[in-house]
Amino acid sequence: QQQVKQSPQSLIVQKGGISIINCAYENTAFDYFPWYQQFPGKGPALLIAIRPDVSEKKEGRFTISFNKSAKQFSLHIMDSQPGDSATYFCAARYNTDKLIFGTGTRLQVFP
Amino acid sequence: ETGVTQTPRHLVMGMTNKKSLKCEQHLGHNAMYWYKQSAKKPLELMFVYNFKEQTENNSVPSRFSPECPNSSHLFLHLHTLQPEDSALYLCASSSGVRWFFGPGTRLTVL
Repeated sequence: QQQVKQSPQSLIVQKGGISIINCAYENTAFDYFPWYQQFPGKGPALLIAIRPDVSEKKEGRFTISFNKSAKQFSLHIMDSQPGDSATYFCAARYNTDKLIFGTGTRLQVFP
Repeated sequence: ETGVTQTPRHLVMGMTNKKSLKCEQHLGHNAMYWYKQSAKKPLELMFVYNFKEQTENNSVPSRFSPECPNSSHLFLHLHTLQPEDSALYLCASSSGVRWFFGPGTRLTVL
């Protein structure tokens, strides 16, 4: 099934806290799992991505955890900052040139 | 900037109008896409072009008509739209692993 389920819809975190966003999928043909960040008035921008043969990827304060057997992956934002306030989308690629997205999580980080 | 530009940024049209959205990419990518972004819905993949050939039409109504004259340009021709077609229309290009999105065209159908 060409669907990626994302939760929560919205998230409020205090500055310095950890933000966690979760995604789940069914289609084992997905072969690439990126996360996108979108600010108001802008298109989504690639934040970090992982392939299904890797269990974790870290880039600065952003980490993807990937559980292939459970068909779940999550984004962790450490030391969350007000500038991280944005909408985050998980996504999954299939057939080389098709990318589908989760429903998005609106993150608000308060000082 | 991402290297993907879209014009116009905002468009208001009546249901009987005909208009076109334009997308241009300067990244040398061979694949280009149209996505629709509505409130409280995931980004919906509409059309995929790879090497100027359409490889995906995701059950999009015929009132949306894409055109890809070359690898750098993508158009979305609009006619007799409905108010529920009001949304942000995003263009993207990719190298197969990284997708780059334009800023979108905010479309309002009256």
